[in-house]
Amino acid sequence: DTEVTQTPKHLVMGMTNKKSLKCEQHMGHRAMYWYKQKAKKPPELMFVYSYEKLSINESVPSRFSPECPNSSLLNLHLHALQPEDSALYLCASSQYSGTYEQYFGPGTRLTVT
Amino acid sequence: KNQVEQSPQSLIILEGKNCTLQCNYTVSPFSNLRWYKQDTGRGPVSLTIMTFSENTKSNGRYTATLDADTKQSSLHITASQLSDSASYICVVTYNQGGKLIFGQGTELSVKP
Repeated sequence: DTEVTQTPKHLVMGMTNKKSLKCEQHMGHRAMYWYKQKAKKPPELMFVYSYEKLSINESVPSRFSPECPNSSLLNLHLHALQPEDSALYLCASSQYSGTYEQYFGPGTRLTVT
Repeated sequence: KNQVEQSPQSLIILEGKNCTLQCNYTVSPFSNLRWYKQDTGRGPVSLTIMTFSENTKSNGRYTATLDADTKQSSLHITASQLSDSASYICVVTYNQGGKLIFGQGTELSVKP
């Protein structure tokens, strides 16, 4: 199984809502990532988890809160988002952090109204 | 500065034709270079991966080349199909920490 799954596929939320994005992999990978991608732009790294511990936070605003409850799951909790946070949010995983190949999920299309 | 530049920005070709996409990078130290295909609204899917010692790598109708001396790579698509319409992204892995440096992508449109 070389699949990274993400739910939901689409999410529309108001600026006062609290919602969560979920990512799952069953490849035994120990590194997981969140990326944000705006239209016609490359993905931008947000967070990296290695062995369920946050290892990289690319100066992401606190309204985005990541969580790695176990080695297969990665969540992104959203609160008080702004319209400019609307984007495609991609999850990825790799065997370990570093130069190992990253496998991407299909993404969650987020719209903030 | 570690950068990846791709050309052209967009390309329109007729079904059945071949095309070549270009990627120049300044990333150093360099671990590997990947070409990804990304359909609109979907996650990137890896097509090829090459280390600095590899010159060419094929995956079906996709053939990637790498010249580590000139820091250039190309992706050649043979006998294009309508389903090849997508964004093709060149990604270089920075050898220190493994951070991915993404190019801006080439938007390919294959017309019937």
